[in-house]
Amino acid sequence: DQQVKQNSPSLSVQEGRISILNCDYTNSMFDYFLWYKKYPAEGPTFLISISSIKDKNEDGRFTVFLNKSAKHLSLHIVPSQPGDSAVYFCVRETSYDKVIFGPGTSLSVIP
Amino acid sequence: DAGVIQSPRHEVTEMGQEVTLRCKPISGHNSLFWYRQTMMRGLELLIYFNNNVPIDDSGMPEDRFSAKMPNASFSTLKIQPSEPRDSAVYFCASSRRQGGSPLHFGNGTRLTVT
Repeated sequence: DQQVKQNSPSLSVQEGRISILNCDYTNSMFDYFLWYKKYPAEGPTFLISISSIKDKNEDGRFTVFLNKSAKHLSLHIVPSQPGDSAVYFCVRETSYDKVIFGPGTSLSVIP
Repeated sequence: DAGVIQSPRHEVTEMGQEVTLRCKPISGHNSLFWYRQTMMRGLELLIYFNNNVPIDDSGMPEDRFSAKMPNASFSTLKIQPSEPRDSAVYFCASSRRQGGSPLHFGNGTRLTVT
């Protein structure tokens, strides 16, 4: 079983504050985790990734943290902007090239 | 870069009819994925191809679903016969298969089966 769990279906954050989106996984066989963002009526778009050999990756306002012992990762968005309002998917890429999406977290950034 | 192109954007059909969804991946990408998105099940991986060869079709829900990739620039997902529970948004995505290389998604086909 190679599940990806995002236990918070939705999150509301004030503009300018930090958004933290969480993801948990089962099994330890993976090479990469990726985060995707999705707006309504569009396909998901890639945001940031992290490999299993790292514990942090940063790209501008977006930082992903990986805690392998807890089988947990999180996406931090600082500062949050209204344009960040979207559904965020935690995605697992296995060593067999299978790409598995979590259920998603809907982020609302309130102006 | 034209991106991944899916057609049609919307499809409305009656139960029992055959439906064909089409996808043109990004040139140079050697992997192609078909996903289905529903409220109940989120984004489900149906099937993926590497170098035009189906690698894993374990997500295809039933024998009514079939997918082909006759060449590197075209793929189809066919449902025959269609049923109302097939109503969903179907996404195609492509990538260069290197570790961690992201998927590029099309804008999806919204299928409604009445």
